[in-house]
Amino acid sequence: QSVLTQPPSASGTPGQRVTISCSGGSSNIGSNTVNWYQQLPGRAPKLLIYSNSLRPSGVPDRFSGSKSGTSASLAISGLQSEDEADYYCAAWDDSLDGPGVFGGGTKLTVL
Amino acid sequence: QVQLQESGPGLVKPSEALSLTCTVSGGSLSSFYWSWIRQPPGKGLEWVGCIYFSGSTKYNPSLKSRLSISVDMSKNHFSLRLTSVTAADTAVYYCARGGAVEALDYWGQGALVTVPS
Repeated sequence: QSVLTQPPSASGTPGQRVTISCSGGSSNIGSNTVNWYQQLPGRAPKLLIYSNSLRPSGVPDRFSGSKSGTSASLAISGLQSEDEADYYCAAWDDSLDGPGVFGGGTKLTVL
Repeated sequence: QVQLQESGPGLVKPSEALSLTCTVSGGSLSSFYWSWIRQPPGKGLEWVGCIYFSGSTKYNPSLKSRLSISVDMSKNHFSLRLTSVTAADTAVYYCARGGAVEALDYWGQGALVTVPS
């Protein structure tokens, strides 16, 4: 059972806009920034969005992030076949004093 | 460009200790957190723990009693030791730069560690 809750799956057709949600609580998303990671099949995860809505250099602007209260969202517009991957949200949790917590991950299928 | 590389045994016997090292090249350990994350086969990511360059650590509460993470600034690497392993510790172990409030911006390729049941 992950501290951050994501839908296990999402899907869309090429060109569509897809959103993935990440729900948490006051001690994690509610008081800390959210980061998003993309994991392509057989590859190491890659940082996609940091500090809720910022994109690292090289990440297309088709990817965007937002946060409101204790929830966050990742949006992918102009969906492409190469976006088929697992997506994870993550944040620090003040109450655990641990390294951080991940969501359970969302498998995105491009139909 | 910062690069990370995990190294260590790929097979560990039950009840023994799992040890991995992450060697960092292209950058210094200074001023960052450094993390270990694991992923059991077919499952999601689990944050194992992280260490600040100064040596301060943050451990996953579920692993804290078996876990130790250390840093060696002279060798530009940090290490993981997990004791009393079981088959449930079988996973790909990734090292990454970042942790706590810092995003994980650079990752190693991952190292599969198998603990037979």
